[in-house]
Amino acid sequence: DTAVSQTPKYLVTQMGNDKSIKCEQNLGHDTMYWYKQDSKKFLKIMFSYNNKELIINETVPNRFSPKSPDKAHLNLHINSLELGDSAVYFCASSLGDRGTGELFFGEGSRLTVL
Amino acid sequence: KQEVTQIPAALSVPEGENLVLNCSFTDSAIYNLQWFRQDPGKGLTSLLLIQSSQREQTSGRLNASLDKSSGRSTLYIAASQPGDSATYLCAVRREYGNKLVFGAGTILRVKS
Repeated sequence: DTAVSQTPKYLVTQMGNDKSIKCEQNLGHDTMYWYKQDSKKFLKIMFSYNNKELIINETVPNRFSPKSPDKAHLNLHINSLELGDSAVYFCASSLGDRGTGELFFGEGSRLTVL
Repeated sequence: KQEVTQIPAALSVPEGENLVLNCSFTDSAIYNLQWFRQDPGKGLTSLLLIQSSQREQTSGRLNASLDKSSGRSTLYIAASQPGDSATYLCAVRREYGNKLVFGAGTILRVKS
C-alpha cells in the first residue's frame, strides 16, 4: 500500500550509459515531481507534471527526459550518464489546485555513475 | 527568487529537552510551508503543513508556527527522544505554481 513508489532503489552504472527510473503513486494525485538530492543533501526540483503535462522544467540538461504516460506515473530517463549525475533522485506527488499542496515523497533512487 | 535558510545546520541535545528549529524565507508570497523529516538513506516524511493563512499546526509533540510577514517558521519539538534524530527540512511553496523550495536542513541528534 505504498503511496509513492520508485524503482529501482539503487542503480550503479558506467559513464555514457542510458538509464531510467520509474515512479508510481496511488494517492489519486494529479501532479508529480522529480527532485534531485546532491551529495550535500540539498534538494532541488527538476521537473513537475500536472495531468501529464509538463509545468516545471528547471535548468536541467536535456539528457534528462521525463515521461508521464498517465497521472499516476512519472518516469525519468537519463541519456549519456555523467559522473555528476550521481545523486539520489526523489519522486513526489501532490493534489494540484484542488488540494492543500502537501507533497508526498518516494523513498528515493540512489544513482551512482562510475 | 525564493531562498530558504535553516538554522542551526546541526543540533545535538540530551533526551527530554524541548528544542526549536528555525526556517526563514525571503519572499513572503507563499502558498504554504511544509516541514519534513528525512532519516539516513530514506525518503522524506511530511510532518506538518501550514497554509499561508494559518499561524500554526500541531501534531503530537510537534508544533510548527508561521509568521508569513516576517518570513519565518519554527518547528518546536517537545520532550525530545532518540527516535527524533533525523534531518529536518523546511520547504516553501510559492503562491503561484507548484514549485517547492527547500532549505538545506537541520541535522538533529538526540542523545540517550
